[in-house]
Amino acid sequence: GDSVTQMEGPVTLSEEAFLTINCTYTATGYPSLFWYVQYPGEGLQLLLKATKADDKGSNKGFEATYRKETTSFHLEKGSVQVSDSAVYFCALSGENSGYSTLTFGKGTMLLVSP
Amino acid sequence: DVKVTQSSRYLVKRTGEKVFLECVQDMDHENMFWYRQDPGLGLRLIYFSYDVKMKEKGDIPEGYSVSREKKERFSLILESASTNQTSMYLCASRPTTGKGNSPLHFGNGTRLTVT
Repeated sequence: GDSVTQMEGPVTLSEEAFLTINCTYTATGYPSLFWYVQYPGEGLQLLLKATKADDKGSNKGFEATYRKETTSFHLEKGSVQVSDSAVYFCALSGENSGYSTLTFGKGTMLLVSP
Repeated sequence: DVKVTQSSRYLVKRTGEKVFLECVQDMDHENMFWYRQDPGLGLRLIYFSYDVKMKEKGDIPEGYSVSREKKERFSLILESASTNQTSMYLCASRPTTGKGNSPLHFGNGTRLTVT
């Protein structure tokens, strides 16, 4: 079955540092890939998505590129802020599975200090 | 913007009580989902529904039931609450698309404590 593996946290960075959170997946065909962010006490919000190979999703300074050859969708940001402290989830939707759920990774906590 | 509204942010119930968690979405989405989120375990799917009156078990349905009488509303029911059901509960919705490329839209969650 489909699966998503993301790096364990917490990831601890100083403000303005470069961020990478690794995400790899297992799925047949061409899934769609998503990153979600969860701020403390809130639900998950869609951060960005990519629906085909080599697509780059971007939002709020975050980027991720859909790499079919390495089955990866790593999240990056050039300069993190304290306000980026949150839990980040990588997820996939199997090809032709438009009515079913997404498969989520376990989440990576990011802590940014001033 | 899609809005998914969960009726309570915080709820405290006693062991053995019947508990209703309500979720409403305003974008006419066909599919709705209930998850629970626990530290170290990530998100786990309890039930989902792809149409009115239709339901499917997720990964951890034991101790829960659901109801979907109207398209916009999806209720999670704990028939007899137990302390191991203390958790954060998240509702989500999603439109049906042929290619699976639509995201899930989440509510803000209900933190349930069973004492």
